[in-house]
Amino acid sequence: DTAVSQTPKYLVTQMGNDKSIKCEQNLGHDTMYWYKQDSKKFLKIMFSYNNKELIINETVPNRFSPKSPDKAHLNLHINSLELGDSAVYFCASSLEGGEQFFGPGTRLTVL
Amino acid sequence: KQEVTQIPAALSVPEGENLVLNCSFTDSAIYNLQWFRQDPGKGLTSLLLIQSSQREQTSGRLNASLDKSSGRSTLYIAASQPGDSATYLCFTKASGTYKYIFGTGTRLKVLA
Repeated sequence: DTAVSQTPKYLVTQMGNDKSIKCEQNLGHDTMYWYKQDSKKFLKIMFSYNNKELIINETVPNRFSPKSPDKAHLNLHINSLELGDSAVYFCASSLEGGEQFFGPGTRLTVL
Repeated sequence: KQEVTQIPAALSVPEGENLVLNCSFTDSAIYNLQWFRQDPGKGLTSLLLIQSSQREQTSGRLNASLDKSSGRSTLYIAASQPGDSATYLCFTKASGTYKYIFGTGTRLKVLA
């Protein structure tokens, strides 16, 4: 009965590969988010998305793209992975503007 | 541009102490402010959410206050326990926009 789940928990891959991280929430929320936590543990929003619009942080490279098959899922696709993409990626969800609930994170390591 | 700062960056206290964690933000036009804890290698656990119209929220031994005019929020932890050891993060959503900003975090260690 996990509220926000992510898969995989760990992802190790080579530079240049394309990978996806999946996120699902069972809270009935209408808005989902992706955050990146870098090596210094600083958290930064990448995207927020509801069924009306996608808001993109302008600093996010266009190699990153969110894909939402339905309201309960927001997957993160990353093309042409670079060393600097290594980080922990967190998915979160909320009712629009409300309290956010986070998933357990996906640790991505790019070799 | 909103900046959210937490001081101190790290704090060690003996068990049983009452303590206050600080969060400062530069733009008072916030929609709400949320406090999280993050345990090492884990996700974020929501502790309290304060709407911009509220002054404080309480949950068990935790009390969070919000003073928009001075750009400050505090998280008060009563009778601290070793299990409270974690990194505490404040988080703001700006009013009228989709700007979500995390604070720099305070790493708390409660010594038994």
